[in-house]
Amino acid sequence: DADVTQTPRNRITKTGKRIMLECSQTKGHDRMYWYRQDPGLGLQLIYYSFDVKDINKGEISDGYSVSRQAQAKFSLSLESAIPNQTALYFCATSPGQGHTGELFFGEGSRLTVL
Amino acid sequence: EDQVTQSPEALRLQEGESSSLNCSYTVSGLRGLFWYRQDPGKGPEFLFTLYSAGEEKEKERLKATLTKKESFLHITAPKPEDSATYLCAVQANGGKLIFGQGTELSVKP
Repeated sequence: DADVTQTPRNRITKTGKRIMLECSQTKGHDRMYWYRQDPGLGLQLIYYSFDVKDINKGEISDGYSVSRQAQAKFSLSLESAIPNQTALYFCATSPGQGHTGELFFGEGSRLTVL
Repeated sequence: EDQVTQSPEALRLQEGESSSLNCSYTVSGLRGLFWYRQDPGKGPEFLFTLYSAGEEKEKERLKATLTKKESFLHITAPKPEDSATYLCAVQANGGKLIFGQGTELSVKP
């Protein structure tokens, strides 16, 4: 079983719909992240959380929100999806203190907004 | 502005043909440089961390090196199973992690 699990793996939705992407991890890490990947672009950070009571905006947080329900669970919501949010979304975790570049990624959630 | 650029965008090699991938960076204080491998339909998988110029790390056919302006990922005698997209990421002062756009490597038998 994967250490970082994302659901759903694929989702097609319509403009204006609310979407939630879920992430759960069994690695025991405190830090969790949501990234977005678009063709030809580097991974971009949407939100991150260093513990259950900590939520921080990344570089492209507009149009997104997150919830850290437990140490092992971190969900990403699109309140009203729009076509330019069509992308591949990754959840990641990391151990230790503060920021680190050694991340453990899930297998991704491909979202298509029509 | 902090920036990470990978080249080439795509690289096709024959099995056994050694080559290098480049990651050039401009950041305000380097805290670390990271290499990842990403297979189609999968999330990136961590490979190496480099912290200072002159440092090298090796894993099987891969060797990563670091200078003050760039990092190279050398692939020696590659095999088809080395085909993947290789991502470079740089961590600057303040902790921000900046990813390059990746190099797609294809190794043909």
